[in-house]
Amino acid sequence: GAVVSQHPSRVICKSGTSVKIECRSLDFQATTMFWYRQFPKQSLMLMATSNEGSKATYEQGVEKDKFLINHASLTLSTLTVTSAHPEDSSFYICSASRVLGTGSRETQYFGPGTRLLVL
Amino acid sequence: KQEVTQIPAALSVPEGENLVLNCSFTDSAIYNLQWFRQDPGKGLTSLLLIQSSQREQTSGRLNASLDKSSGRSTLYIAASQPGDSATYLCAVRVVGGSNYKLTFGKGTLLTVNP
Repeated sequence: GAVVSQHPSRVICKSGTSVKIECRSLDFQATTMFWYRQFPKQSLMLMATSNEGSKATYEQGVEKDKFLINHASLTLSTLTVTSAHPEDSSFYICSASRVLGTGSRETQYFGPGTRLLVL
Repeated sequence: KQEVTQIPAALSVPEGENLVLNCSFTDSAIYNLQWFRQDPGKGLTSLLLIQSSQREQTSGRLNASLDKSSGRSTLYIAASQPGDSATYLCAVRVVGGSNYKLTFGKGTLLTVNP
């Protein structure tokens, strides 16, 4: 099946620094990539949706200037948490979508997630 | 706004027992519904995907049903094993603008005791 990777898997940083998380689709070209955030014992919450070469669409309540998303190619999207603070500590998961077959069935494949801890 | 609720939040059963996890959603205008498994600190593994026109899907010991009109889905796990212990997430796909969005429930934490 399709594989999506994330790097790094874990990151610890000091408050005020910026952290970049990469999401790659390893064996397919992703039409769209999604970034989710998951707090302990909570649901995955969609942060933003990005299409290659265009600006990301952010969900309500997600700060565009704080969570910078770049989708430069069909296999790579990056999420940069700028000036990270302890409340940004969370589990960040990306997914990449792919249209299968001749129909319009789109399937999302999820990455393994990145655990961010801001001290 | 679509909301997804999963009941129970946690479930502990002895090995070998059959069990049912429940998922409900508020807006029946969905594209499909998907069940995922999430192990602690890990990403998501897709278990079953039911298109809106389907009523159920089966994979091994797993069976998922969908009643779109009532906004409900169940995940049936037969002959549970300790390796089934994980959080099970239900998600519905809704059409939002030019992209399809997934709305997740909070999950059911399943513990299967040997």
